[in-house]
Amino acid sequence: GAVVSQHPSWVICKSGTSVKIECRSLDFQATTMFWYRQFPKQSLMLMATSNEGSKATYEQGVEKDKFLINHASLTLSTLTVTSAHPEDSSFYICSAREFGPQHFGDGTRLSIL
Amino acid sequence: GIQVEQSPPDLILQEGANSTLRCNFSDSVNNLQWFHQNPWGQLINLFYIPSGTKQNGRLSATTVATERYSLLYISSSQTTDSGVYFCAVGEVYNYGQNFVFGPGTRLSVLP
Repeated sequence: GAVVSQHPSWVICKSGTSVKIECRSLDFQATTMFWYRQFPKQSLMLMATSNEGSKATYEQGVEKDKFLINHASLTLSTLTVTSAHPEDSSFYICSAREFGPQHFGDGTRLSIL
Repeated sequence: GIQVEQSPPDLILQEGANSTLRCNFSDSVNNLQWFHQNPWGQLINLFYIPSGTKQNGRLSATTVATERYSLLYISSSQTTDSGVYFCAVGEVYNYGQNFVFGPGTRLSVLP
């Protein structure tokens, strides 16, 4: 079946650091990739939708300059959390879709000290 | 945007019991999936079921798209079924597809 690989699984870093998270579709081409954020004991909230070769579409309330998304190819999207602060600590999950169902990565747990 | 509700929010079962989880959504969708999120945060895709009925072992799901709801049935529950169950629905926008998660049902299966 379709596999989405997300790296890294865990990140712990100091406040002010920028962190890049990668999302790859391993055996299919993903015309659209999605980035979600999940706080403890809450549901997943869509942050942005990324289409290959074009700018990402951000959901209301998500800072474009804080969360930079690049979808350079049909198999890779990256999320960069710029100048991360403790309030950015969260669980970030990507998903990819060619057609039919969405396929999710295993998530990245980000902790900013 | 589309609204997704799930019920019940919490459910405690004795091992071996059966249960039904419900997902209601506010508009037409062309994608509906059920997920189980394990304690490590991984989303396990249970069903891709925009309409109709599917079964996979002890789990089955039914979506009645015209009435805007879906049901997930768990039979003979096991402790390993514990976790959070999410329903998520997809709607098409100009830039692609939005995919909205419900608030989840937190299931605890006791031995």
